[in-house]
Amino acid sequence: AQSVTQLGSHVSVSEGALVLLRCNYSSSVPPYLFWYVQYPNQGLQLLLKYTTGATLVKGINGFEAEFKKSETSFHLTKPSAHMSDAAEYFCAVGSGSARQLTFGSGTQLTVLP
Amino acid sequence: EAGVTQFPSHSVIEKGQTVTLRCDPISGHDNLYWYRRVMGKEIKFLLHFVKESKQDESGMPNNRFLAERTGGTYSTLKVQPAELEDSGVYFCASSPLRGGVGANVLTFGAGSRLTVL
Repeated sequence: AQSVTQLGSHVSVSEGALVLLRCNYSSSVPPYLFWYVQYPNQGLQLLLKYTTGATLVKGINGFEAEFKKSETSFHLTKPSAHMSDAAEYFCAVGSGSARQLTFGSGTQLTVLP
Repeated sequence: EAGVTQFPSHSVIEKGQTVTLRCDPISGHDNLYWYRRVMGKEIKFLLHFVKESKQDESGMPNNRFLAERTGGTYSTLKVQPAELEDSGVYFCASSPLRGGVGANVLTFGAGSRLTVL
């Protein structure tokens, strides 16, 4: 069984500040990890993914995430927030041949001017 | 290429009525998935088609939900009769057949919001 916990359903940061969205997962097999973002009235868009190899993964729009197996974490970061980053962010885990993803409950990011 | 298209974007119905949601996947994508998000909770898997066959329907909540994918192209999800707890956003996603889940990135539609009164 797999599960994902996103700490903080709402996160607010000032424009230009560091963005840190937390994700912890549970998986009985080596996980594949994803971050998706949903902008208002749009679908879920893939930000980045971890499958194998380098544990620091870079995604679109300046986001990156680091897979830490010992901490079962996959936190999402961006050095400097922009107003356009305001959206809801979802962490998800998949594994093996299973083609379904298990999502966290989402984190709404607000960027303050 | 066109993305995943879902229709309607929002549907408001009364308890006991029927609603049919439609999903048009990206052309050539044999995998099609339905997910649902209820009341700001987690996005949960409903089912997975490979072409026209149901590969996994373990997430379907009950027999009031019926999903079809005739001809392996578009898919419909019918809720009959609708109940209050069915309210939420229904997402469709598609992906190409080849590749493991790690490489097999799901492309999601914008979702269909269902409100049952």
